[in-house]
This record gives sequence, C-alpha cells and structure tokens, in this order.
Amino acid sequence: GNSVTQMEGPVTLSEEAFLTINCTYTATGYPSLFWYVQYPGEGLQLLLKATKADDKGSNKGFEATYRKETTSFHLEKGSVQVSDSAVYFCARNTDKLIFGTGTRLQVFP
Amino acid sequence: DTGVSQDPRHKITKRGQNVTFRCDPISEHNRLYWYRQTLGQGPEFLTYFQNEAQLEKSRLLSDRFSAERPKGSFSTLEIQRTEQGDSAMYLCASSALQEAPNSPLHFGNGTRLTVT
Repeated sequence: GNSVTQMEGPVTLSEEAFLTINCTYTATGYPSLFWYVQYPGEGLQLLLKATKADDKGSNKGFEATYRKETTSFHLEKGSVQVSDSAVYFCARNTDKLIFGTGTRLQVFP
Repeated sequence: DTGVSQDPRHKITKRGQNVTFRCDPISEHNRLYWYRQTLGQGPEFLTYFQNEAQLEKSRLLSDRFSAERPKGSFSTLEIQRTEQGDSAMYLCASSALQEAPNSPLHFGNGTRLTVT
C-alpha cells in the first residue's frame, strides 16, 4: 500500500545537538516528498520538499534527501535550537498528501 | 495572501447533533482538501475537490459526513448525528492545480470538534 513511516518520538535533545528523524515511504510511482512542521498552538507549515530522486530539500538549516533506493527521506539538522521544538510530519504526495504519524522534538537549553 | 481560514476554531456539541464547518482557501487555489487529525496522529485524508468537483472520498468518510464546494471557492464539511469518536481537529488545505502533485498544501489552523 501507500504509506509513510516515521520514527516514534519524543526526540529529546540539548541545544546545538545533531538531529535525525527517520522517514520511509511506500508508494506506486514516484511521489513528491515533504516535511511539515507544527509548532505549539499553530497550524501545519511546509518545512521542505523534494520532487524527484536525489533531490535535497532544505530550509531553516533542515535538510532531507530523496533516496529512491532506500525509499527514505530522513530529516536532519546539524545544530538544533530550542525554537525548533515542534511536531514534524513526513508526507508523500501522488494525487493526495499522505502523512506519517509525526515525531515530537523537544529541545532543551 | 490571507492564507486558508477555517471557521469556527472550536466547536463543542452534544452527541447526535449536526455540525457544519467552513473553509475559505487561498483565492487562486483550485484544489481544496479536508483532513482529520486526532491526538498523537498525523492528519488523515478525508476528501478533496478540484474546483467544485469532489474527486475522491476516503473510506474513513462515513455516510454521516458530507462535503461541498458549490462555487469552487469556499467549502463546507457537515457531520450529521455526531458521535464521540468524531472528536478531532478538522483541517482544511488548498493547493494550486497547476503545480500538482509537487505543490505543497497550505493548511488552515483547523476546527477542533468536541462531542460530549
């Protein structure tokens, strides 16, 4: 089937630590891949996207590379900040957007 | 760009009552989507429109749920005979058809429904 699997949270890090949130997908064809972020009390916002294999999406210091061979789109950031604390959703799109269950990130000073 | 707006922000209703939510998408966006999100879960797809045509409905959408987009602009989602299991955040999103499927969805802040 078509689905998105994310690592379970919460992920708890100290400020300036390295972040990885794993995401894998299954889909027929070649979906576009997205990371969305939901800050406390706010709506879903697009963080970054990649539309074809080997594309790298990046925004606000976050990066993710579309890996067709491993069907993955892992989110990384070299140095997290307290303000990055939020829930992160991986998603894939062919005709509609299908989301993973979300990973909560908590960053402490 | 005023973004996607949803009304109301919160709705508390008694079991068995009907409720209706409204979504106003970004004005130039052809596609409009409804999702439902419960605590600790990602948004689940319910249905989507391209202009006024409803192109797909999820199997999650029971007969008690109906959505419309009569003039291809705003949309309404109605839930009849609400049940406690309907309690969730209902999210609306819109996107530009011209960029599909690569176009990101722009989400509203949602309507939180509580059925007592």
